[in-house]
Amino acid sequence: NAGVTQTPKFRVLKTGQSMTLLCAQDMNHEYMYWYRQDPGMGLRLIHYSVGEGTTAKGEVPDGYNVSRLKKQNFLLGLESAAPSQTSVYFCASSYTRTGGDGYTFGSGTRLTVV
Amino acid sequence: ILNVEQSPQSLHVQEGDSTNFTCSFPSSNFYALHWYRWETAKSPEALFVMTLNGDEKKKGRISATLNTKEGYSYLYIKGSQPEDSATYLCAWGGAGGSYIPTFGRGTSLIVHP
Repeated sequence: NAGVTQTPKFRVLKTGQSMTLLCAQDMNHEYMYWYRQDPGMGLRLIHYSVGEGTTAKGEVPDGYNVSRLKKQNFLLGLESAAPSQTSVYFCASSYTRTGGDGYTFGSGTRLTVV
Repeated sequence: ILNVEQSPQSLHVQEGDSTNFTCSFPSSNFYALHWYRWETAKSPEALFVMTLNGDEKKKGRISATLNTKEGYSYLYIKGSQPEDSATYLCAWGGAGGSYIPTFGRGTSLIVHP
């Protein structure tokens, strides 16, 4: 029972490089989310999706793009990485928008932009 | 940006102590309040989701209460154990916006043996 799987777990990028973070869930959840976690800031919502083919902006969407081509996958892209995007990124999913029984989180991706 | 405040920011207790911390949130347009436990190097794990004023939830030695009229929730840990050491997050979901919960910054609990 995998739950939510994030790849990669660690990555170092140079400023200006691009990359895609993959989130995959096997629980048939409709809702998926990308958060970033910075020291002293808590979890901040970047983008979310309410179903296959849909995406919406969260609190801190600038510099990121997302896609949800398949229900089980939610991709987060950085087109031109900046040092300010150094963070730990968490993907989460849920049955309902309000969380239902709570969100299921992935194990995180630690990204460093130099 | 809606404010979800957690206090204290950090807490050190001795094994066997009981402790509690607070989550404050906007009292208007309330829909749901989540509590998560987040151990170092792991991912947040859901403890409770509460939706009704006066809700009380319990899981083992951990319990939570909810007051939506005044906008706060308490998380209690009875007889703390070193394995309870973690950051405890609350998240508030409001009907006025997207319903998607906004997270507080967490309370870091360290239980000393």
